[in-house]
Amino acid sequence: GDSVTQMEGPVTLSEEAFLTINCTYTATGYPSLFWYVQYPGEGLQLLLKATKADDKGSNKGFEATYRKETTSFHLEKGSVQVSDSAVYFCALSAYGSGNTGKLIFGQGTTLQVKP
Amino acid sequence: DAEITQSPRHKITETGRQVTLACHQTWNHNNMFWYRQDLGHGLRLIHYSYGVHDTNKGEVSDGYSVSRSNTEDLPLTLESAASSQTSVYFCASSAPGMAEAFFGQGTRLTVV
Repeated sequence: GDSVTQMEGPVTLSEEAFLTINCTYTATGYPSLFWYVQYPGEGLQLLLKATKADDKGSNKGFEATYRKETTSFHLEKGSVQVSDSAVYFCALSAYGSGNTGKLIFGQGTTLQVKP
Repeated sequence: DAEITQSPRHKITETGRQVTLACHQTWNHNNMFWYRQDLGHGLRLIHYSYGVHDTNKGEVSDGYSVSRSNTEDLPLTLESAASSQTSVYFCASSAPGMAEAFFGQGTRLTVV
């Protein structure tokens, strides 16, 4: 079945460092892809999305490009801040669900940014 | 502002008790979902609903049930709580045609 694999965490970076969090997926068909962020004690917030191959999603300095050839959707940010410390989840829209909001998530990657 | 609200935020219950977690959304979304979050597993789908009186099982539905009597609410019931159901539970909703979902703040449930 469909699945999402994220890089193991936690990831610890110094402020202003470059961030990459790897995400690869296995899917039937052509899913939409998402990155969600969970700040401490809060629910998940949509960070960015891409709905077709070669689309680039971007928000708050974060970017991710939908790569069908490598089945990847890696999250990047050029210069992280302490306020970016959170858990990041890669997700895809479940096969056959169309645009319903039914999602399959990766295991999450914890990012800690130190001043 | 429209929102999705879960209650309670924290609950401790005993093994074998029935527990109901509430989820209420004011977006008038047809689609609603319950997930559980566990370390190393990310979020896994428990049950979901695409409209009033519609319910469907997700990946980890054993021991859980839901009912949908109106658009706004999808309560999650643990029939007989087990220690394996200690987790953080998230409710989410989306409108038809939307690929993404919007999440509540979560309920931390501890079964002792």
